[in-house]
Amino acid sequence: AQSVAQPEDQVNVAEGNPLTVKCTYSVSGNPYLFWYVQYPNRGLQFLLKYITGDNLVKGSYGFEAEFNKSQTSFHLKKPSALVSDSALYFCAVSRLYSSASKIIFGSGTRLSIRP
Amino acid sequence: EPEVTQTPSHQVTQMGQEVILRCVPISNHLYFYWYRQILGQKVEFLVSFYNNEISEKSEIFDDQFSVERPDGSNFTLKIRSTKLEDSAMYFCASSDPENRAHSNQPQHFGDGTRLSIL
Repeated sequence: AQSVAQPEDQVNVAEGNPLTVKCTYSVSGNPYLFWYVQYPNRGLQFLLKYITGDNLVKGSYGFEAEFNKSQTSFHLKKPSALVSDSALYFCAVSRLYSSASKIIFGSGTRLSIRP
Repeated sequence: EPEVTQTPSHQVTQMGQEVILRCVPISNHLYFYWYRQILGQKVEFLVSFYNNEISEKSEIFDDQFSVERPDGSNFTLKIRSTKLEDSAMYFCASSDPENRAHSNQPQHFGDGTRLSIL
């Protein structure tokens, strides 16, 4: 069975500071990992993915995530936070190479960037 | 960039009534999904659909739920007799099979329909 854990309900960061949103996963076989962001009253926007290769993946809006197989983690990071980054962030996992794979989402972390 | 569109944005329905949520997936996509997000909770998978049949469904997707692709563009979710606990945000998503071998095409989500059961 696949699962994703986001241990923090809320992360508060000052604008300009680096941010990290934590995620750990559990999946049989190779993981296919995602981060999505949800702004108020909007759908889920894709940020980035990890399939294979380089453990550091870069995505939209300056975000990046680091895949760590030994720690089964996929933390989302950004070197310098913006107030506009304030939103709900979901880590997610899917089975690799499955044609209609459902996505399993974490519980979400609310990121709040103060000016 | 092409988008998944969902209508209506907000649906208010009396308990026990039938409701149909509509989605227009991205035009060249062939895999379709419905997810649900109860207020304050995580996004949960309901069902996936391909080639005019359900590929996979979750425990949530019981006999009260059904999906249909009535024409070449729409993908609908029907709840036959709504319950209070069906109140949630419902998201439609679609994905492109052409990249399946590379598994690098994420699912594209619509903005959701907020369903309120009274």
